[in-house]
Amino acid sequence: GNSVTQMEGPVTLSEEAFLTINCTYTATGYPSLFWYVQYPGEGLQLLLKATKADDKGSNKGFEATYRKETTSFHLEKGSVQVSDSAVYFCALSSYNAGNMLTFGGGTRLMVKP
Amino acid sequence: GAGVSQTPSNKVTEKGKYVELRCDPISGHTALYWYRQSLGQGPEFLIYFQGTGAADDSGLPNDRFFAVRPEGSVSTLKIQRTERGDSAVYLCASSLGGRGAEQYFGPGTRLTVT
Repeated sequence: GNSVTQMEGPVTLSEEAFLTINCTYTATGYPSLFWYVQYPGEGLQLLLKATKADDKGSNKGFEATYRKETTSFHLEKGSVQVSDSAVYFCALSSYNAGNMLTFGGGTRLMVKP
Repeated sequence: GAGVSQTPSNKVTEKGKYVELRCDPISGHTALYWYRQSLGQGPEFLIYFQGTGAADDSGLPNDRFFAVRPEGSVSTLKIQRTERGDSAVYLCASSLGGRGAEQYFGPGTRLTVT
């Protein structure tokens, strides 16, 4: 079956530091890959996505590249801000299996001023 | 426009009681999903509706859990004979469908079974 593994947190960084959150997946076929974010006190919202190999998703300075050869979708940002403090979830979906999302365990990011 | 809404936002119930959790999806979204999120974990899939029918209920943990979507819009998740292990945040999401379609999540219902 499908599964997603992401690095455990919390990840603590100083403002303007470089961020990487690792995500690898196991899936049959050609899944779509997502990063969702959960800010404190708010619901899950889509951060970025990629639907085929070598696609790069990007939003709000974050980016991730769909790497089929390494089954990875690592999240990166060049310069984090305090407002980026949140929990980040990597997820995948398979269109021929109803598009339900399989999530990783989440990574809490804390950015200090 | 209006997003996905869920009611109640919090529900405290005693072990053995019956509960209903409601989800109002975004208008026009044909796909509706229920997930369960335990503390410190990622959401886990429960059931998926395409229109009025449950297209996949493989994530429901046992037969105490049931969900309906009679008119293809609002959905209700029903839990019978609640147990303390059912305590979690129950999330609903809706989508237009299609490959890689974004799912829009509601704020969730926090269920606590005492």
